[in-house]
Amino acid sequence: GDSVTQTEGLVTLTEGLPVMLNCTYQSTYSPFLFWYVQHLNEAPKLLLKSFTDNKRPEHQGFHATLHKSSSSFHLQKSSAQLSDSALYYCALSDDTGNYKYVFGAGTRLKVIA
Amino acid sequence: GGIITQTPKFLIGQEGQKLTLKCQQNFNHDTMYWYRQDSGKGLRLIYYSITENDLQKGDLSEGYDASREKKSSFSLTVTSAQKNEMAVFLCASSIEVTNTGQLYFGEGSKLTVL
Repeated sequence: GDSVTQTEGLVTLTEGLPVMLNCTYQSTYSPFLFWYVQHLNEAPKLLLKSFTDNKRPEHQGFHATLHKSSSSFHLQKSSAQLSDSALYYCALSDDTGNYKYVFGAGTRLKVIA
Repeated sequence: GGIITQTPKFLIGQEGQKLTLKCQQNFNHDTMYWYRQDSGKGLRLIYYSITENDLQKGDLSEGYDASREKKSSFSLTVTSAQKNEMAVFLCASSIEVTNTGQLYFGEGSKLTVL
């Protein structure tokens, strides 16, 4: 079945340094990949979604590129901000109509001054 | 825009007790989901529903029941709460008839079992 693997646990970064959170996946079918972000005491919300063509989605300075050859959808940002501290989930769906989304274990990003 | 409202935000129960969580959405979305959130384990699907009165089991359905009597609401019942259980339950909805669209989440209901 489908699966998603993320950078494990807690990632601590100094403000201004680049962010890279890893996400790799396994899927039998054509996958759609998502990044969700959850700030403390808030609902998870969509950060990025992969496109079917080769466009690179970007939002709030974050970007991610779907590489089917390496089954990856890593989340990147050139310069971390204190407000980026949150829990990040990579998720996968496919177009088979099974209505299921598979989530990774989540990566907690902590940005320090 | 719309909103997903989960009630209660905090639920404290006793071992063996039946506990119910409720979720309302005003997006007019067809598909609704219940996920369990545990630290280090991601979001695990408990139940989902693709339309009113439809119920589908997820990977973690044992020990839970669900009900979708109206398009706008989806409830989850813990049939027998386990002692020392602590988790956050997230409700979500999606407009897409296939699962290629985004999920919209509620803020969660935190369960503590004494």
